[in-house]
Amino acid sequence: GAGVSQSPSNKVTEKGKDVELRCDPISGHTALYWYRQSLGQGLEFLIYFQGNSAPDKSGLPSDRFSAERTGGSVSTLTIQRTQQEDSAVYLCASSLVAGTQETQYFGPGTRLLVL
Amino acid sequence: GENVEQHPSTLSVQEGDSAVIKCTYSDSASNYFPWYKQELGKRPQLIIDIRSNVGEKKDQRIAVTLNKTAKHFSLHITETQPEDSAVYFCAVGGSNYKLTFGKGTLLTVNP
Repeated sequence: GAGVSQSPSNKVTEKGKDVELRCDPISGHTALYWYRQSLGQGLEFLIYFQGNSAPDKSGLPSDRFSAERTGGSVSTLTIQRTQQEDSAVYLCASSLVAGTQETQYFGPGTRLLVL
Repeated sequence: GENVEQHPSTLSVQEGDSAVIKCTYSDSASNYFPWYKQELGKRPQLIIDIRSNVGEKKDQRIAVTLNKTAKHFSLHITETQPEDSAVYFCAVGGSNYKLTFGKGTLLTVNP
């Protein structure tokens, strides 16, 4: 079956612009996660969705970052007024059951470059 | 919060040798320990995981060992092959959904 997909695969933007990153989880997966991976670093947790609600937004770096999920499926991560330090790979993952430790399946990521 | 340390950051081995990557964690309540492999430019993929009620798990050339008392776990790859070259991440999970990742180990297997 289809895996997790993300779009765009690459995004180049100018400092100060807003960007939207999209994630399509595996069909039927109730849990969805966003991570950020900077060059040579591990995966930094950003936010977790259980269905359409986000019980944990603790990883969002600032109030310029927000995310939503609609219909228990697609999620959008929005970064407003982008800064150069936002440049990174943004990874989305989904798992079958929310609230438990299940295998997380990752998407290919969106490589964001802020000039 | 949980703190995960992963060592070494880089590891170079000859084809056929074994490779060992180690991770330590801080929260004694953690009970889920997956390992992910990320090839260059690709997405992370789960290769093996272990839960706290088990001390060791093996899948062909890959094994993971867990020492809950010492709060560390290790990935063992035997008979390494060039296609094992990648970045390997350990992660730690607790009673909820959240995974905390190590910073990764770049493994290079030289033919």
